[in-house]
Amino acid sequence: GAVVSQHPSWVICKSGTSVKIECRSLDFQATTMFWYRQFPKQSLMLMATSNEGSKATYEQGVEKDKFLINHASLTLSTLTVTSAHPEDSSFYICSASLRQGYEQYFGPGTRLTVT
Amino acid sequence: DQQVKQNSPSLSVQEGRISILNCDYTNSMFDYFLWYKKYPAEGPTFLISISSIKDKNEDGRFTVFLNKSAKHLSLHIVPSQPGDSAVYFCAASANYGQNFVFGPGTRLSVLP
Repeated sequence: GAVVSQHPSWVICKSGTSVKIECRSLDFQATTMFWYRQFPKQSLMLMATSNEGSKATYEQGVEKDKFLINHASLTLSTLTVTSAHPEDSSFYICSASLRQGYEQYFGPGTRLTVT
Repeated sequence: DQQVKQNSPSLSVQEGRISILNCDYTNSMFDYFLWYKKYPAEGPTFLISISSIKDKNEDGRFTVFLNKSAKHLSLHIVPSQPGDSAVYFCAASANYGQNFVFGPGTRLSVLP
């Protein structure tokens, strides 16, 4: 099946620094990638949708200047949390869609802790 | 307002019996639905999908039923196994696969 990886799997950073999370589709080309955030014991919240070569579409309430998304190739999307604060601590998950498929294949997630 | 609802936050079932997880939605434009399974600290795993032109889809132990008039879908797992213990998310899309909206999830515990 389609495999999506994320790196790093966990990261601890200091308040005010920036953190980059990578999402890669390993065995397929993903024209569309999605970034989700999950708070403890809550559902997945879609943050943004990114299409290769174009600007990401952010969901209402998500700060585009704080959560920078780049989808530079068909196999790589990055999420950069800029000037991180403790409230940004969360579990970030990406997913990717096959060109002709409907399903989203999810990465394993990245646990971000901002101290 | 939640567009996708899973009203049971948790469910316990005996091993070997049937697990039924329910999902209700409010947006009549939704035309594609998926179920995902999620273990703690991992990304969700796709289980099964159904489009609005069908009312049933089966894959091994998993069957999804869709009742469009009631805006309701359910996931049946039979027989349930301890490894099925996880959080199950229902997700819906209004344009065949883009921009899914997730329900809050139901934690299934299968007891040996």
